[in-house]
Amino acid sequence: DSGVTQTPKHLITATGQRVTLRCSPRSGDLSVYWYQQSLDQGLQFLIQYYNGEERAKGNILERFSAQQFPDLHSELNLSSLELGDSALYFCASSSSDTRTDTQYFGPGTRLTVL
Amino acid sequence: AQSVAQPEDQVNVAEGNPLTVKCTYSVSGNPYLFWYVQYPNRGLQFLLKYITGDNLVKGSYGFEAEFNKSQTSFHLKKPSALVSDSALYFCAAYNFNKFYFGSGTKLNVKP
Repeated sequence: DSGVTQTPKHLITATGQRVTLRCSPRSGDLSVYWYQQSLDQGLQFLIQYYNGEERAKGNILERFSAQQFPDLHSELNLSSLELGDSALYFCASSSSDTRTDTQYFGPGTRLTVL
Repeated sequence: AQSVAQPEDQVNVAEGNPLTVKCTYSVSGNPYLFWYVQYPNRGLQFLLKYITGDNLVKGSYGFEAEFNKSQTSFHLKKPSALVSDSALYFCAAYNFNKFYFGSGTKLNVKP
């Protein structure tokens, strides 16, 4: 158990809808990272937050947004969902904003868009 | 375009034999390099990383990786494979605020 929690485990929704994925980092970790793992695109880095501020952006679509709250949990919002957004979404956390720090991954949220 | 390549979708090895999972990268500058393992229905777990220094990096569970700058490679190795090593392995590179992941290599260790 990495200490990173993600909810929900599974999410099934329809095209055009909006969903929110939640991540709680390990106790004491200030950085949260979001990743998308899909069959056709593989594993992709989406975005990183550190202590409430955006620090790095990867291949995140404009329909997606994220934030980190004062209690350090983070939410990834996916809107106008398309079939291709079906994927496993991982959150990871680390203690600092140095991307070379070891990242601890959560179990993921599996999103299915029908 | 920046990328990380894992040329083998699958690697099969017998238990007790040495294993190698290959990774090459095409990322500008001097990227940091990582290996992660993913077990079924679970998130990724960090194995090891190379930032600078010794070209042979030792990591978790007896794994090590060899960095070769001239060949832009970062191959994962283990002297003696275990059945429990069977999993999906990802190589990653980090530079200029972005991570780049390989497509993954499925390692099958047979008893």
